[in-house]
Amino acid sequence: DAGVIQSPRHEVTEMGQEVTLRCKPISGHDYLFWYRQTMMRGLELLIYFNNNVPIDDSGMPEDRFSAKMPNASFSTLKIQPSEPRDSAVYFCASTIQGVTSPLHFGNGTRLTVT
Amino acid sequence: RKEVEQDPGPFNVPEGATVAFNCTYSNSASQSFFWYRQDCRKEPKLLMSVYSSGNEDGRFTAQLNRASQYISLLIRDSKLSDSATYLCVPLRIYFGSGTKLNVKP
Repeated sequence: DAGVIQSPRHEVTEMGQEVTLRCKPISGHDYLFWYRQTMMRGLELLIYFNNNVPIDDSGMPEDRFSAKMPNASFSTLKIQPSEPRDSAVYFCASTIQGVTSPLHFGNGTRLTVT
Repeated sequence: RKEVEQDPGPFNVPEGATVAFNCTYSNSASQSFFWYRQDCRKEPKLLMSVYSSGNEDGRFTAQLNRASQYISLLIRDSKLSDSATYLCVPLRIYFGSGTKLNVKP
């Protein structure tokens, strides 16, 4: 079975540019999560969706960040404009309904903003 | 105050040692508890769920103490391949910052 698929694996961009990260959750999973991981702050939850609807975006750092889930098999996380402090690994994860269901993570996108 | 607290380590242990990690959480309503393992430059992967009665999976034992709001992970007979960062997840979607384990020959 295919796991969570993220693209690109690596992204290097200049400050001020728009960055779009993509995620395809596991088929049948109705929850999708976006995380950011840095050495300083660990794994931070940015936003999550249930049945394509954003449920909690309180972790989104600021208005430069936005996320969408137009259908059950695709989500994007966009940063516009990007800044050097956005450099991190961004993970997408998915799971199914149920408190005992763990999260399944994609390979992550390593973003470097110069 | 952080929702989840973990000792960042690193824990440096010799092969064959027994090592234990604790993790405290602040939300007493939490119903789901997990331990994840993360290798360097990789994604977190589920190691084991943590059940109220405690549970074991080979060399790994997980325990939950609801009264004191902590979960623990015990690794017996450490292997070199156990070297990784261990993330506790007492709130299903909120992760601890991880405890780094280095197992040395």
